[in-house]
Amino acid sequence: DAGVTQSPTHLIKTRGQQVTLRCSPKSGHDTVSWYQQALGQGPQFIFQYYEEEERQRGNFPDRFSGHQFPNYSSELNVNALLLGDSALYLCASSRPEGTSIYGYTFGSGTRLTVV
Amino acid sequence: RKEVEQDPGPFNVPEGATVAFNCTYSNSASQSFFWYRQDCRKEPKLLMSVYSSGNEDGRFTAQLNRASQYISLLIRDSKLSDSATYLCVVTSWGNAGGTSYGKLTFGQGTILTVHP
Repeated sequence: DAGVTQSPTHLIKTRGQQVTLRCSPKSGHDTVSWYQQALGQGPQFIFQYYEEEERQRGNFPDRFSGHQFPNYSSELNVNALLLGDSALYLCASSRPEGTSIYGYTFGSGTRLTVV
Repeated sequence: RKEVEQDPGPFNVPEGATVAFNCTYSNSASQSFFWYRQDCRKEPKLLMSVYSSGNEDGRFTAQLNRASQYISLLIRDSKLSDSATYLCVVTSWGNAGGTSYGKLTFGQGTILTVHP
């Protein structure tokens, strides 16, 4: 049973560029959440997707956008990259029922470096 | 004020020591509480849930005080393998279109190093 798969694992981009990160949820999960973890900080919630719609959003600018596909996989897009966007980007999948917190599964993340 | 606050440490303790981590949260509507463990350059993994009655899992004991909005984690008889970052996590729940959904809010993490 495959867990959450994220790609790529590492990425180096230049300031001002755009980046797309990908996430395939765990089998049986239909909700995908994205988190940004800067060095020395805890993960910060970016947004959550369910039924191909953004259901919740954290305190991130519009440069951060996402998409969820019919197969529940998801993409995170960041435009006009800043040095401060350098971080580990984590994807977590779950089911929407109330007890699903115990079923939250994280991917191993994409480490983005902006130079 | 951050929603979830932890002492970032770092904590450096010898093997066999007892170490305690504290966490406070600001949203009184928070409904579920957890401790996660994160190894260097890895994803966070659920360590244990936290209940008001207190709960224990081997050498680990977690406590929740809803009145004080305070969460703790106690590790007894520390092992070298306990070295990691420990993240306090609080969840809030919402409902949209008849479907409930949860969001995890993390503290900044407390770094623990256990040395021989």
